[in-house]
Amino acid sequence: GAVVSQHPSRVICKSGTSVKIECRSLDFQATTMFWYRQFPKQSLMLMATSNEGSKATYEQGVEKDKFLINHASLTLSTLTVTSAHPEDSSFYICSASLPTGIGYGYTFGSGTRLTVV
Amino acid sequence: AQSVTQPDIHITVSEGASLELRCNYSYGATPYLFWYVQSPGQGLQLLLKYFSGDTLVQGIKGFEAEFKRSQSSFNLRKPSVHWSDAAEYFCAVGHQGGSEKLVFGKGTKLTVNP
Repeated sequence: GAVVSQHPSRVICKSGTSVKIECRSLDFQATTMFWYRQFPKQSLMLMATSNEGSKATYEQGVEKDKFLINHASLTLSTLTVTSAHPEDSSFYICSASLPTGIGYGYTFGSGTRLTVV
Repeated sequence: AQSVTQPDIHITVSEGASLELRCNYSYGATPYLFWYVQSPGQGLQLLLKYFSGDTLVQGIKGFEAEFKRSQSSFNLRKPSVHWSDAAEYFCAVGHQGGSEKLVFGKGTKLTVNP
């Protein structure tokens, strides 16, 4: 249980275009979703925290106009990389906090490899 | 501010040997501690977590970790490593394990020699 499905797993896009990444909680309601970015051979860096129905809270240095996060429902959160450039190429992972009824902790999506050419 | 230190960037062990991955944390309150494993190109899988109670925590795949408050450590151990354990391991600390964000260590890459 407590699965987060993340799509797509890989995407290649042209520079200047936008890409949307989706994360769906399949069997629970995700009140809070976290979006991370991971560069090769590095750790996860939190980009933003989103709560259902509220604006996302972005970490310092993350461009909110470039990385649009929408958490309109308790089962879906999306990250849109707008006007993507090669430096946006990275591995993006979402994570949902588990409801207390399931147990404390977090569950992670399988990640999206974004390549901007 | 909370932080997590994983002193070993890369560890190599032989299959069948024991393993210990180190994790030290800095946190002002009672920490919620996690160990995750990541295979290349994949998301994170939870190995185990600690919130309270018994300081020796058992996880999946034969892993265990011990919380030592006096040393601010939460080291991960496995008595006998399998080749399939080769992966990246991340230690993380959070607050309530729910609405609060996780802070990750830089990770330890484990290589297993046959």
